[in-house]
Amino acid sequence: KNQVEQSPQSLIILEGKNCTLQCNYTVSPFSNLRWYKQDTGRGPVSLTIMTFSENTKSNGRYTATLDADTKQSSLHITASQLSDSASYICVVSAIGGSYIPTFGRGTSLIVHP
Amino acid sequence: SAVISQKPSRDICQRGTSLTIQCQVDSQVTMMFWYRQQPGQSLTLIATANQGSEATYESGFVIDKFPISRPNLTFSTLTVSNMSPEDSSIYLCSVGYSSTDTQYFGPGTRLTVL
Repeated sequence: KNQVEQSPQSLIILEGKNCTLQCNYTVSPFSNLRWYKQDTGRGPVSLTIMTFSENTKSNGRYTATLDADTKQSSLHITASQLSDSASYICVVSAIGGSYIPTFGRGTSLIVHP
Repeated sequence: SAVISQKPSRDICQRGTSLTIQCQVDSQVTMMFWYRQQPGQSLTLIATANQGSEATYESGFVIDKFPISRPNLTFSTLTVSNMSPEDSSIYLCSVGYSSTDTQYFGPGTRLTVL
């Protein structure tokens, strides 16, 4: 069964600090992995998308890594800002068949001043 | 990218009634989806809205409860029928251009059923 597990479930950090969120998956055969940011009361917004051949991708202060061998991904946030407070969702898609991706439950990040 | 709007943004409804949620996209898209996000949970796919044919529903979701229309490539509606408090959720419209592209999400409709 395709699964996406994220950790930690929630995280509280001080403004200006760095943090790393984890995503482990069992989706196979792997097509791509995406990280989304979901602000409270809003729909998810894409941060990065990575395919099998990519092991790192950056979007401003957000850097995602992918290890397709161990089926792990991380999202590193540098110099956190108050606006980074949100839920971060890892989404993994399989090759072929239906287009249905598998969603993780998300990590809730709170950045305190 | 795609700009997606949903109406209404939120609603409070009485049990036993129905609510229709609209999703409008600023460009023609191949794939449109409807998701549900219950409090504290991740997104669950309800169905794929197919243009010109019946929607494809995921396990646990049926057409009688969640009828979907997609009259063209930029618009879709989801109806939540005969609502109960368990239907209280955020309902999200999503679109994609290909299986390897990112999915774009609407702002969501927050539904509360009393």
